[in-house]
Amino acid sequence: HSALTQPPSASGSPGQSVTISCTGSSSDVGRYNYVSWYQQHPGKAPTLMIFEVSKRPSGVPDRFSGSKSGNTASLTVSGLRAEDEADYYCSSYAGGNNQVFGGGTKLTVL
Amino acid sequence: QVQLVESGGGVVQPGRSLRLSCAASGFTFSSYGMHWVRQAPGKGLEWVAVISYDGSKKYYADSVKGRFTISRDNSKNTLYLQMSSLRAEDTAVFYCAKDHAVGPIGYAMDVWGQGTTVTVSS
Repeated sequence: HSALTQPPSASGSPGQSVTISCTGSSSDVGRYNYVSWYQQHPGKAPTLMIFEVSKRPSGVPDRFSGSKSGNTASLTVSGLRAEDEADYYCSSYAGGNNQVFGGGTKLTVL
Repeated sequence: QVQLVESGGGVVQPGRSLRLSCAASGFTFSSYGMHWVRQAPGKGLEWVAVISYDGSKKYYADSVKGRFTISRDNSKNTLYLQMSSLRAEDTAVFYCAKDHAVGPIGYAMDVWGQGTTVTVSS
């Protein structure tokens, strides 16, 4: 079960939108709608931002949105704010009762 | 409030064993699947294992299969991870996390503990 592929870094200015990609395969992202996204600030535990491709847990701002096309899932952060600067990880169910994470993307707010 | 508190981490020699615990509060523990996820120093997240709400189903990452055992005691609202034959590459912060779905495992974690550090070194 290979890790999902994310760009190591992404950036944007306050108020702008940025999209982070997460590429898997037809065995994970492409097959199942169990893609989730996590935000992790330095030294802190991760926080769930998106589950089941595009659903937001209560309390997560609607500036965060998720989508999927084929084997690639995406997280879009609109109206960037300083506090959005963090590491972001995607995850997908990979079949066979396995779950796989992406390598993470460091989002910098310029 | 909903809370998960891990304990049991420490420094252990290669080949030895260690048991992690995760105390849950603020939610109906027996209704949710529970996960262990680890993060090696400076690295990304790695899913380790999951157990169903009633403990009847347990699944593991290939990297720990046969060495780690996940379990739970719903009467004590506690999750465990028994780790044996530890290797240097098991060095990581270990997080316990609550599955977001009631009942069947949903493979998304909506509550995380603060983590406990395991260092495998001679």
